[in-house]
Amino acid sequence: DAKTTQPNSMESNEEEPVHLPCNHSTISGTDYIHWYRQLPSQGPEYVIHGLTSNVNNRMASLAIAEDRKSSTLILHRATLRDAAVYYCILRVFYYNQGGKLIFGQGTELSVKP
Amino acid sequence: DTGVSQDPRHKITKRGQNVTFRCDPISEHNRLYWYRQTLGQGPEFLTYFQNEAQLEKSRLLSDRFSAERPKGSFSTLEIQRTEQGDSAMYLCASSPWTSGSSYEQYFGPGTRLTVT
Repeated sequence: DAKTTQPNSMESNEEEPVHLPCNHSTISGTDYIHWYRQLPSQGPEYVIHGLTSNVNNRMASLAIAEDRKSSTLILHRATLRDAAVYYCILRVFYYNQGGKLIFGQGTELSVKP
Repeated sequence: DTGVSQDPRHKITKRGQNVTFRCDPISEHNRLYWYRQTLGQGPEFLTYFQNEAQLEKSRLLSDRFSAERPKGSFSTLEIQRTEQGDSAMYLCASSPWTSGSSYEQYFGPGTRLTVT
């Protein structure tokens, strides 16, 4: 499975944008880029995913580099409830693949009021 | 439907005892996954089912572990002869699946196991 690299931790101020980077230099053409987050004492929660183009949803935006070797999760206005561990995951999708998620260490985001 | 549920939420057991956890997925989801998470680490994949068929097992799933999904709905994960190293959060997730699609997984709150 292709590997991702994320900073261990980041800090943000409330109401400011947050850019969470992820490097995945060994990504293959069939790998989707998924982001999940895990709030304290909860199971992980899906945030967003993409293949080649930038993606937006109600939670966040995903910016994917042209060569796909890196991506950035953007939280437009951080709130205290966004404090969590954010995981960047590459997910292979062939027709017969199970679609399991391979989690790394993630980035622990803290948000200061 | 309110999401994936897991029972119990916490379990304390003595080493050598057997424990069983239950997961109820979102009703229309045909894929069900089990993960294990130890403190400070990301979740690790254990096994998954498509309907009632168990299609993949991680090498982390020793022969003391068994999982079932008898009618393609809820699933159970049993650990026999528990060891202290089994102490962890056990997470269940479900997702719909059709060929060629990339669906997100919906996670339950987890069952925290403590082996004393």
